[in-house]
Amino acid sequence: NAGVTQTPKFQVLKTGQSMTLQCAQDMNHEYMSWYRQDPGMGLRLIHYSVGAGITDQGEVPNGYNVSRSTTEDFPLRLLSAAPSQTSVYFCASRYGTEAFFGQGTRLTVV
Amino acid sequence: GQQLNQSPQSMFIQEGEDVSMNCTSSSIFNTWLWYKQDPGEGPVLLIALYKAGELTSNGRLTAQFGITRKDSFLNISASIPSDVGIYFCAGQPYDNDMRFGAGTRLTVKP
Repeated sequence: NAGVTQTPKFQVLKTGQSMTLQCAQDMNHEYMSWYRQDPGMGLRLIHYSVGAGITDQGEVPNGYNVSRSTTEDFPLRLLSAAPSQTSVYFCASRYGTEAFFGQGTRLTVV
Repeated sequence: GQQLNQSPQSMFIQEGEDVSMNCTSSSIFNTWLWYKQDPGEGPVLLIALYKAGELTSNGRLTAQFGITRKDSFLNISASIPSDVGIYFCAGQPYDNDMRFGAGTRLTVKP
């Protein structure tokens, strides 16, 4: 049972580059979300989706785009990477109040 | 937005000691949750609380949903080395996603 799968696990980008962080879940959950984790700040919500075709902004959406064309996939796009986006990114899917997290993507922007 | 204040930020304890950490909010939450994050992994749900005053146990862990609905605490009894990690509280406001505290980093010395 794979649960929530994130790729890649590690990534280094140059300032201004774009990339997509992939997230896939096999639990048929409607609700998916993206968080970033920074030291001393916990997990902050970037974007979330309540189902295919529906997305909304969280606390820190600037610089990120998402789409939800299928129930399974919820990719996060960085349009023009900045050093401030250096962080660990977690994707989660949710059933009721229980969220299931992926293993994270550690992103460094230089 | 909803602010969660989690304390303490870090704890260094001896194996066998009891641990207590808490979370307070400026807003009322409908649900309180406690997660644990092991190094290199995503958070995993430990306990979920749904009613004001609710006290719930999961093995050596006990958590309570405060009467005011603006706070929660987590106790760990008789700590063991595998309790090491970061513990996050999370609150779920109505019709919104979870908001996380900054985390409590627990170190257990054998």
